[in-house]
Amino acid sequence: GDSVTQMEGPVTLSEEAFLTINCTYTATGYPSLFWYVQYPGEGLQLLLKATKADDKGSNKGFEATYRKETTSFHLEKGSVQVSDSAVYFCALNTNAGKSTFGDGTTLTVKP
Amino acid sequence: DSGVTQTPKHLITATGQRVTLRCSPRSGDLSVYWYQQSLDQGLQFLIQYYNGEERAKGNILERFSAQQFPDLHSELNLSSLELGDSALYFCASSVEQVGSYNEQFFGPGTRLTVL
Repeated sequence: GDSVTQMEGPVTLSEEAFLTINCTYTATGYPSLFWYVQYPGEGLQLLLKATKADDKGSNKGFEATYRKETTSFHLEKGSVQVSDSAVYFCALNTNAGKSTFGDGTTLTVKP
Repeated sequence: DSGVTQTPKHLITATGQRVTLRCSPRSGDLSVYWYQQSLDQGLQFLIQYYNGEERAKGNILERFSAQQFPDLHSELNLSSLELGDSALYFCASSVEQVGSYNEQFFGPGTRLTVL
């Protein structure tokens, strides 16, 4: 079946550090890939997405590139801020409409 | 604000009881998804409805059931509750069924505590 594997957390960084959260997936067909973010006490919200191979999703300084050859969709940000502290979920959707989420990675950014 | 509403926000009940969680999708969205988020199991996809019909099923227990009504709101029914059912339950909605590119818009969640 489909699966998403995320880098285990928690991840703790200093402000302005470089962030990478690894995500790899297994799926039949050609899924779309997503990163969602969950701030404390809130629901998930879409951060960025990519719908086909080699697409790059970007938003709020975050980027991720859909790599079909390595079945990966790693999240990166060049300079994190305290306000980026949250839980990040990698997810995929198949054409059948089924969604699969990773376990989430907790990021804490310290001033 | 995602436009997805969930009620109630908090629910405290006892083992063996039955509860109903309600979700109203964003205006125009035909698909509704239900998820369970617990500390030990992360975010688990339960079930998806599209325009009133069940579309995809995930790790949903037999004690749980859901439906989507003609006005597109959805209800998740949890029965014979156990301590382990304590979790955050999220509803999400999206525009379409087909096409894997649709993002989902999540509601704020219902926190269920089973005592």
